[in-house]
Order: sequence, then structure tokens, then C-alpha cells
Amino acid sequence: NAGVTQTPKFRVLKTGQSMTLLCAQDMNHEYMYWYRQDPGMGLRLIHYSVGEGTTAKGEVPDGYNVSRLKKQNFLLGLESAAPSQTSVYFCASTARGSGSWDEQFFGPGTRLTVL
Amino acid sequence: AQSVTQLGSHVSVSEGALVLLRCNYSSSVPPYLFWYVQYPNQGLQLLLKYTTGATLVKGINGFEAEFKKSETSFHLTKPSAHMSDAAEYFCAVGYHMDTGRRALTFGSGTRLQVQP
Repeated sequence: NAGVTQTPKFRVLKTGQSMTLLCAQDMNHEYMYWYRQDPGMGLRLIHYSVGEGTTAKGEVPDGYNVSRLKKQNFLLGLESAAPSQTSVYFCASTARGSGSWDEQFFGPGTRLTVL
Repeated sequence: AQSVTQLGSHVSVSEGALVLLRCNYSSSVPPYLFWYVQYPNQGLQLLLKYTTGATLVKGINGFEAEFKKSETSFHLTKPSAHMSDAAEYFCAVGYHMDTGRRALTFGSGTRLQVQP
């Protein structure tokens, strides 16, 4: 049982390049989230998904797109990377998002640098 | 609107000493409060949470936190620090988004160092 995994662990991009971050979970969780973590700030929610085929915007969605084609995978895309998107990105999943405050399980993070 | 303030971005204690990590929150509704820990090169793990009931909450690895409504605080404590406690700790408050879905607002984190 791997939990939540993220690919890649590190990436350096040039301004304007595109890339996709992959999150995978093997716990059959319905809800998945993408956060970014910046120095001196807490984690901020980018996008989230409440089930296969559904996505929604979080607190800081601009410049990012997401897709949830399979229940176990949640992809975060940057179409045209900007230096302001230099950050550590975390994916998380939880069994359900309503009815109780279930624990969010986090991946190890992806450190992205945009030059 | 909800927010979380963690006082002290870095805290250093000696092994065996008391650990106290401070968290204050603001919330327009009764809060749901959480502490997460992040060990180096790992994702966040839930330490403990307060939703309803007893205001003193016990978590994993000997940590506990007390919800004090009058002080809008949810400080994290451990009586005796261990070297393995060195990590970054995040306080979070739960809220409902416009969609009705639940989400977390995180504080900026406190890095705990434990000196031998």
C-alpha cells in the first residue's frame, strides 16, 4: 500500500514551458486535492476533485488546470509556467469530504523551479 | 473567513524539554482544528484533530492540544521532546467552501529543532 505518490519529485522549467504533475493514490479515496506551499506561507488549495471526472477551483487556481480521468489519479498541469509558480506542490486525498472531517493523506511533494 | 496564525516560525528545545507550539485561529463558526506534522522529504501526516467534544485532544507520538475558545487558541504540546520530533508542524482550521465542500486553511508552519 503506497498511499499517495507524486511524480516527479523535482523539476526545473523555463518560463513558458508546460508540464504535468501526476498524483496517484491506492486507497480508493473519492476526494483529491492539489496544494502549493511557499516559504512563510501555509499550504494553499489550488484545485480539488470530489470524484472521477469532476474538478473544482480552490483558493489559487489561476495558471493551473487539472484532470481526474481515473479515480486513482489527479493531474495538475501548467500550460505556460511562470516564475511565480516556483513552489512545492502537494497532493492529498481523503475518503470523503462531507459528513465528517476525515484525515487528508499527503504525498511527498514535488519541488518545482521556474527560471 | 477563517485564518490561522502560528507564532514562531522556528522553535528550538533540548531533548527531554517541554514542547509548546502556538496556534491561534479565527473562524466565524465553531472551528474544526487540526495539527499536521511534516518530516523531512515527506508529506504531511495528521497528528490530531478537534471537531467536537473534549477540548483536550490527544494525538500520536505523545502530542496533545487543547482547544480554548476564549483565547481562540489550539496550542500543541508534548511533555518531553525526543530527537525524532524534529519536523515542521502545521496548524489548520476546517471550513466550508462556496460549493459546500470542506477544506482546510493552513498556518505557515513552525519548524521544531531538538537539541541533544
